[in-house]
Amino acid sequence: NAGVTQTPKFQVLKTGQSMTLQCAQDMNHNSMYWYRQDPGMGLRLIYYSASEGTTDKGEVPNGYNVSRLNKREFSLRLESAAPSQTSVYFCALMAAGYEQYFGPGTRLTVT
Amino acid sequence: KQEVTQIPAALSVPEGENLVLNCSFTDSAIYNLQWFRQDPGKGLTSLLLIQSSQREQTSGRLNASLDKSSGRSTLYIAASQPGDSATYLCAVRPSSGGSNYKLTFGKGTLLTVNP
Repeated sequence: NAGVTQTPKFQVLKTGQSMTLQCAQDMNHNSMYWYRQDPGMGLRLIYYSASEGTTDKGEVPNGYNVSRLNKREFSLRLESAAPSQTSVYFCALMAAGYEQYFGPGTRLTVT
Repeated sequence: KQEVTQIPAALSVPEGENLVLNCSFTDSAIYNLQWFRQDPGKGLTSLLLIQSSQREQTSGRLNASLDKSSGRSTLYIAASQPGDSATYLCAVRPSSGGSNYKLTFGKGTLLTVNP
């Protein structure tokens, strides 16, 4: 997972609370992604950013917002957390040759 | 819509055995296929990337093949070790269109290598 860092590693929220998941890369690539991974559902794309200042919705964007203010960072915000958002969240980037690299993940529990 | 299937969902083998993991996809219009490894509680680690024009890629004891026309890829692991125990996922990237940034992932094969 070298090159992509995520904070925090673990988080417990109560329903209705908000939080921002942070992702940063030091590989100087344009494209960045947010996924969630749930048992039996596999990896699902939440949002994608092709470059600084641009974002696109993925498969499951409802309940999330993202921000790509610079090339290095891509954050994911939950405005009002729900138990259905309990999941493991992964940030990823696309490197040369369209190879994808993942961060270590954030394990989020919403009670 | 692209669908990626990995069979079996779980596999248990004794140490030292050679093994093959399978990945199939429904739409052959792919740009590349990537194999990942995921250890429990960890992120995905890229193992091999095969471009659509390639037939195989090798890294150490791992060999991945791609048959685009039949919609199949295999990951061959030689002389398996307990440290190979993990979930292995494959993912395909479409070759064209506005959504070519999106990977479609299989759900993975959980491999256990017993000492």
